[in-house]
Amino acid sequence: DADVTQTPRNRITKTGKRIMLECSQTKGHDRMYWYRQDPGLGLRLIYYSFDVKDINKGEISDGYSVSRQAQAKFSLSLESAIPNQTALYFCATSDVNTRGEAFFGQGTRLTVV
Amino acid sequence: AQKITQTQPGMFVQEKEAVTLDCTYDTSDPSYGLFWYKQPSSGEMIFLIYQGSYDQQNATEGRYSLNFQKARKSANLVISASQLGDSAMYFCYDRGYSTLTFGKGTMLLVSP
Repeated sequence: DADVTQTPRNRITKTGKRIMLECSQTKGHDRMYWYRQDPGLGLRLIYYSFDVKDINKGEISDGYSVSRQAQAKFSLSLESAIPNQTALYFCATSDVNTRGEAFFGQGTRLTVV
Repeated sequence: AQKITQTQPGMFVQEKEAVTLDCTYDTSDPSYGLFWYKQPSSGEMIFLIYQGSYDQQNATEGRYSLNFQKARKSANLVISASQLGDSAMYFCYDRGYSTLTFGKGTMLLVSP
């Protein structure tokens, strides 16, 4: 099994719908992140969390919310999806006590129509 | 604040030749770490190589090496003897105190 698992892997949804992307990890890391990837823009940080009670906005948090249900689980919600939220979404973890290598989920391809 | 700059949106190289992908960084942290990842068309992110700010020697991992020039704040990835399977997007990132800051990536295409 993968260390970081994202569900779903692919999703097509309609404008205005609420959608949740889920991420779970078996690495035991405290730090978890949500990024979105768009062509030419690289990976941009949406939200990050250092532990269950510590959640922080990234550079593009508008239109998104997150929930850290447990150390191992970090969910991203789009409250009312819009077409420009069509992107590839990545969940990642890292361990502050080591060199800080990021461990990524497989990505979720989200299309908002 | 950290900033990572990858100035090459796309690079072309012929099979078996070497190629250098540029990455410059800007950070105020005295202790930092720079990583390179490869993203093939399937989308997954694959770790390639790491360079710590206090490392005395340039990192190497098989055909991958880092040309780390601290004074110039650059950590360029060198791929020797390119292979067709090296065609992918490549990202540089900095392990900062709080978040992971990525460059915009370089798309490498290897031709036969």
